[in-house]
Amino acid sequence: AQSVAQPEDQVNVAEGNPLTVKCTYSVSGNPYLFWYVQYPNRGLQFLLKYITGDNLVKGSYGFEAEFNKSQTSFHLKKPSALVSDSALYFCAVRDGDGGFKTIFGAGTRLFVKA
Amino acid sequence: DSGVTQTPKHLITATGQRVTLRCSPRSGDLSVYWYQQSLDQGLQFLIQYYNGEERAKGNILERFSAQQFPDLHSELNLSSLELGDSALYFCASSDGGDYNEQFFGPGTRLTVL
Repeated sequence: AQSVAQPEDQVNVAEGNPLTVKCTYSVSGNPYLFWYVQYPNRGLQFLLKYITGDNLVKGSYGFEAEFNKSQTSFHLKKPSALVSDSALYFCAVRDGDGGFKTIFGAGTRLFVKA
Repeated sequence: DSGVTQTPKHLITATGQRVTLRCSPRSGDLSVYWYQQSLDQGLQFLIQYYNGEERAKGNILERFSAQQFPDLHSELNLSSLELGDSALYFCASSDGGDYNEQFFGPGTRLTVL
């Protein structure tokens, strides 16, 4: 069965510093991996995805994520955090081995302090 | 604006009642997904429809049911409501491709008193 874990409930970072939000996954086939962001009282917004190819994926708002097959991880990164990046971040995985379900992690709340 | 619309925005009802949540997907999207978001359970996948047919089922209770109509809008029916059903219910849509992202609506906040 597929699963995804976000080991940190909360990440705190100062504005201008790099940020990392961690995600690990488990699937039986090839993973399709996604990051979404949720601002207060809003639906989730797609940030980026990894399907195949280059392990470093670039997405919206300056975010990027690195796919690491050996560590089964897909960590979200940004070189310089903004206060406006403060939000709830979800990692999601879909099993490429014929599964249709997308499973979301529990979410990580990012606080960027000015 | 994702292009996905959900009505109503808020719903307050009593235990034992039945409610219907409505979702209109983005133009051209064939897949509709329903999710429940609560503080203690996180974001739970309920069910997916593709072009009118059920495609995948998640942690959907027997008291809940859904359908997708020929015009591709979808409804989620919640019956015999319990206090624990209070949550934010999201609809999302995609074009149905195996590795395409989902576009989420603004959600319906259900409060069961």
